[in-house]
Amino acid sequence: QSALTQPASVSGSPGQSITISCTGTNSDIGGYNYVSWYQQHPGEAPKLMIYEVTSRPSGVPDRFSGSKSGNTASLIISGLQAEDEADYYCSSFRSSSPHIAFGGGTKLTVL
Amino acid sequence: QIILKESGPTLVKPTQTLTLTCTFSGFSLSTSELGVGWIRQPPGKALEWLAVIYWDDDKRYSPSLKSRVTITKDTSRNQVVLTMTNVDPVDTATYYCARRRAVVGRYFDHWGQGILVTVSS
Repeated sequence: QSALTQPASVSGSPGQSITISCTGTNSDIGGYNYVSWYQQHPGEAPKLMIYEVTSRPSGVPDRFSGSKSGNTASLIISGLQAEDEADYYCSSFRSSSPHIAFGGGTKLTVL
Repeated sequence: QIILKESGPTLVKPTQTLTLTCTFSGFSLSTSELGVGWIRQPPGKALEWLAVIYWDDDKRYSPSLKSRVTITKDTSRNQVVLTMTNVDPVDTATYYCARRRAVVGRYFDHWGQGILVTVSS
């Protein structure tokens, strides 16, 4: 069982916006702004999409954004495109063991 | 350009010891606030963090595997080695190494391509 809780799946049509939630505790998401999000296409390695809750690495489209409220972080994808179909994982630093937590992953389907 | 690549056996027998090497370029583990971690992913399942080692030789382990896993670094050779003892078929997974930003941000910003390790007799 993962330390962070994500929905198993979400879906949306091209052009729409979707939100993927990631729920933790005061020891991780609620206590620190060290939430990151990773995109993984089948057969590929994960790719960093968001770090420090809201920051985007160079090259990541601004359609991807992040937010946090209390113990829940969210990844928002606006203007959905077919290429966004992938698995998405959240991660957070934790003050107690385990030092690093991942969510169980969310499969995004673009209808 | 930052590149990480995993190497090691792709097939190991139960009870054996698995040794994986992450060879990287484009950065040095003597640089403060950097680390290299190992993450695995069983087929069709989620990512699982295993261990991380930092520039100052600080090491952290997943509590579920702490008794079986050791992480070390060779800064001069730009390598990080993960050793896992007494492997079991449930350890079958793709193993990734990734660079970790240690103090500011705390995230994995560059990942290797992964290596699929199968544990079977």
